Amino acid sequence: NAGVMQNPRHLVRRRGQEARLRCSPMKGHSHVYWYRQLPEEGLKFMVYLQKENIIDESGMPKERFSAEFPKEGPSILRIQQVVRGDSAAYFCASSGGDEQFFGPGTRLTVL
Amino acid sequence: GQQVMQIPQYQHVQEGEDFTTYCNSSTTLSNIQWYKQRPGGHPVFLIQLVKSGEVKKQKRLTFQFGEAKKNSSLHITATQTTDVGTYFCAGPVWGGSNYKLTFGKGTLLTVNP
Repeated sequence: NAGVMQNPRHLVRRRGQEARLRCSPMKGHSHVYWYRQLPEEGLKFMVYLQKENIIDESGMPKERFSAEFPKEGPSILRIQQVVRGDSAAYFCASSGGDEQFFGPGTRLTVL
Repeated sequence: GQQVMQIPQYQHVQEGEDFTTYCNSSTTLSNIQWYKQRPGGHPVFLIQLVKSGEVKKQKRLTFQFGEAKKNSSLHITATQTTDVGTYFCAGPVWGGSNYKLTFGKGTLLTVNP
C-alpha cells in the first residue's frame, strides 16, 4: 500500500541550474497537487493537475516554473535557472476525494 | 482571495497541560480539514469537518467547526510529547471543478516533558 512517493528527498543545486522534482501519486488517485513550504510557513498551493491536464496553476510563478503530469509516469515540477529564493520544501499531494495525502517532500537547497 | 488565519503561531506547554489552536477563514467554508506535520516530516491528514457546529473527537483531540462555518478549533487534552508538531487547518477553494486547499500558517506545538 504505497503512499505518495517523491524523489529526490533532498536536492542541492547551484544558482542557474535546473531542478526537477518527481511525484508519484497513490495508486488509484488521478489528482496531484504541488505545494511549497518555506521555513516556519504554511503550505502554499502551486498547481493542480490531472493526467495530461493542468487544472489550476494560479499559485505557480509565471517564469521558470512548470509542471506536468503525463499519461505515463510521475508528475514533474521543474524549476529552471534556480535562485536562492527557490530554496524550500516542495510537497506533492494526491487525492481521490476531499482528503489529500502528502508525500515526504523534496527539500531543495540552492547554493 | 480567501485567507485562513491561525493563532497562536507558537505554543509551548508542559506535558499534561491542555492546548488549543484556532483557525479563522475570511470566507464561509464548505468544510475544514486539519493536518499535523511533525518536525522534518510531511503533513498528515487528521480530520475533516463538514457540518455547521460539528464536533468530532479523536482520543485526546477535539475538533470543532463554528456555526457560521468560518472558524474552527483543535483542542488537545493532557498533551504528550508525541503531540509535538505543527497543526494546520485548511479550507477548500472551489472553482468550478477545481479543488485546492488554502492552508493557515499553522501552530507549532512544543511539549516540555
